[in-house]
Amino acid sequence: DAGVIQSPRHEVTEMGQEVTLRCKPISGHDYLFWYRQTMMRGLELLIYFNNNVPIDDSGMPEDRFSAKMPNASFSTLKIQPSEPRDSAVYFCASRHGDAYGYTFGSGTRLTVV
Amino acid sequence: ILNVEQSPQSLHVQEGDSTNFTCSFPSSNFYALHWYRWETAKSPEALFVMTLNGDEKKKGRISATLNTKEGYSYLYIKGSQPEDSATYLCAFIKNGNNRLAFGKGNQVVVIP
Repeated sequence: DAGVIQSPRHEVTEMGQEVTLRCKPISGHDYLFWYRQTMMRGLELLIYFNNNVPIDDSGMPEDRFSAKMPNASFSTLKIQPSEPRDSAVYFCASRHGDAYGYTFGSGTRLTVV
Repeated sequence: ILNVEQSPQSLHVQEGDSTNFTCSFPSSNFYALHWYRWETAKSPEALFVMTLNGDEKKKGRISATLNTKEGYSYLYIKGSQPEDSATYLCAFIKNGNNRLAFGKGNQVVVIP
């Protein structure tokens, strides 16, 4: 298995532009998580899905952020419009069952200028 | 907000020495505790998933213990090697949900 695949690895965009981050979880994993990592706050959970259904989006900072999981093999995190304070590394992770840890993707480093 | 604290924030260890650090978490409504190893420029990798009070887990020279009643877990590295240099994250899951709340990590630098 190729693991959790995220794209792009790096994204530089101008303030006000729409940004879409993509994630392909490990096949068979029924949970998918989006995390944001910053120096100040560490790893913060934004939203998670179970069997493609959003379960908890209380970590999504504001309405500019949205996430979808149209099928078991694909999820997107969209920021519209983007702001400089959104600059961070965004990680996607997936999991199968309670006995195992999460498998993280390589992350997308987002810079909004 | 689940308060997961890790200490010390960073430490330097001489190669060959053993070291340990602490993760503290809310002792009520405990479900599981995870430990992850995070090397620079990579993504976190799962080390241990611990669920029972008194659990002890081991992987090579790294081991962890769990005390759910008092809300802490220790991670031990025996005979530190330069390849052990990384940030070690602990994360807590509260009973009834799947939100994995991370601490800010213990950054370990092993000096050759």
